[in-house]
Amino acid sequence: GIQVEQSPPDLILQEGANSTLRCNFSDSVNNLQWFHQNPWGQLINLFYIPSGTKQNGRLSATTVATERYSLLYISSSQTTDSGVYFCAVEFLTGANNLFFGTGTRLTVIP
Amino acid sequence: ETGVTQSPTHLIKTRGQQVTLRCSSQSGHNTVSWYQQALGQGPQFIFQYYREEENGRGNFPPRFSGLQFPNYSSELNVNALELDDSALYLCASSPQGNEKLFFGSGTQLSVL
Repeated sequence: GIQVEQSPPDLILQEGANSTLRCNFSDSVNNLQWFHQNPWGQLINLFYIPSGTKQNGRLSATTVATERYSLLYISSSQTTDSGVYFCAVEFLTGANNLFFGTGTRLTVIP
Repeated sequence: ETGVTQSPTHLIKTRGQQVTLRCSSQSGHNTVSWYQQALGQGPQFIFQYYREEENGRGNFPPRFSGLQFPNYSSELNVNALELDDSALYLCASSPQGNEKLFFGSGTQLSVL
């Protein structure tokens, strides 16, 4: 069935460290987005990246659609990066449904 | 540029009641989607509205219904509330379809 799996489920980093979050999806997609949900519940759109690579400051993302995965890189992490990171995909057969992954909970400690 | 705003921020209802949640989309966005997020889980798609018409629906029963108005704002209505309806309800708008969603802060609904 349709699946969007993220790894690792939990990650604890020292401030200043780098990390890579992974999102695997089970079928072809026409849309993939990465979100950060802060501790107050606000979902922030980080990237709209159905394919290729994008960078925004300390964050970058790469989606390899043919191999059905996407990676989110966080460099020089800060305590404000803490929260839950979700990838969300719209499958080609998705009827406008954006499926959210299981999430990675990131905690950055000073 | 005004972002996505939702009201109310918190709501407490009892089982069997009805509730209406409201969302104002970001300026220039004609598509609104609603999501339900239970504690500790990712958001789940309820439905999407595009130019006042339902444009896709997730696996939610008919007692979840919605509207989109000519100014692209939207309402989510839930009838016959159940305890499991307790969740954070998120509204998102986008310029078109699911192209880069922008979320509001959500409405936390508690059903007692």
